[in-house]
Amino acid sequence: QKEVEQNSGPLSVPEGAIASLNCTYSDRGSQSFFWYRQYSGKSPELIMFIYSNGDKEDGRFTAQLNKASQYVSLLIRDSQPSDSATYLCAVNVMDSSYKLIFGSGTRLLVRP
Amino acid sequence: SQTIHQWPATLVQPVGSPLSLECTVEGTSNPNLYWYRQAAGRGLQLLFYSVGIGQISSEVPQNLSASRPQDRQFILSSKKLLLSDSGFYLCAWTSGTAALFGPGTRLTVL
Repeated sequence: QKEVEQNSGPLSVPEGAIASLNCTYSDRGSQSFFWYRQYSGKSPELIMFIYSNGDKEDGRFTAQLNKASQYVSLLIRDSQPSDSATYLCAVNVMDSSYKLIFGSGTRLLVRP
Repeated sequence: SQTIHQWPATLVQPVGSPLSLECTVEGTSNPNLYWYRQAAGRGLQLLFYSVGIGQISSEVPQNLSASRPQDRQFILSSKKLLLSDSGFYLCAWTSGTAALFGPGTRLTVL
């Protein structure tokens, strides 16, 4: 069973701090990694995707990938109360087709 | 730009009734399409995915089925709903990079 693991949280950080969200995956053949944000009652929205080892930055968000350790993370700088949401990690599974497996999500609370 | 439509947005159905949820995609051709279910407070469970017309792969045994009658149409069905079918149903598509989600259908089975 191919799995994606996340700490359910909640992760509580003060406004302006850096929030660090982590994700591990079991399938070494995975090629693409995604972070989604989901507000309560809404559908997930894509924040970032990363394919290569290292860091990828987009505004206040940085995705980090370490394929050797099967680990992907998301850093949110200058956290805002509006960042409070559940963050979902997703990994594509390279079997007979393109299949996207999600972790259960980490709930982030940014305190004003 | 690509857009995903899902309907209905909300649905309340009695146990044992049938179900049909529809998803359509605009602005792309030959997408990979997915149905996910999210139970209250839980993560996304992949139910079905499709790489083309008439091609359906099922991820979990259940009383649900899926069909893809047209390139950009994906339908989720059930002949008899169970209480455990309640949840937030999300359709997603991907062209090989990131998956984008529709607005979802919230289903309550009573």
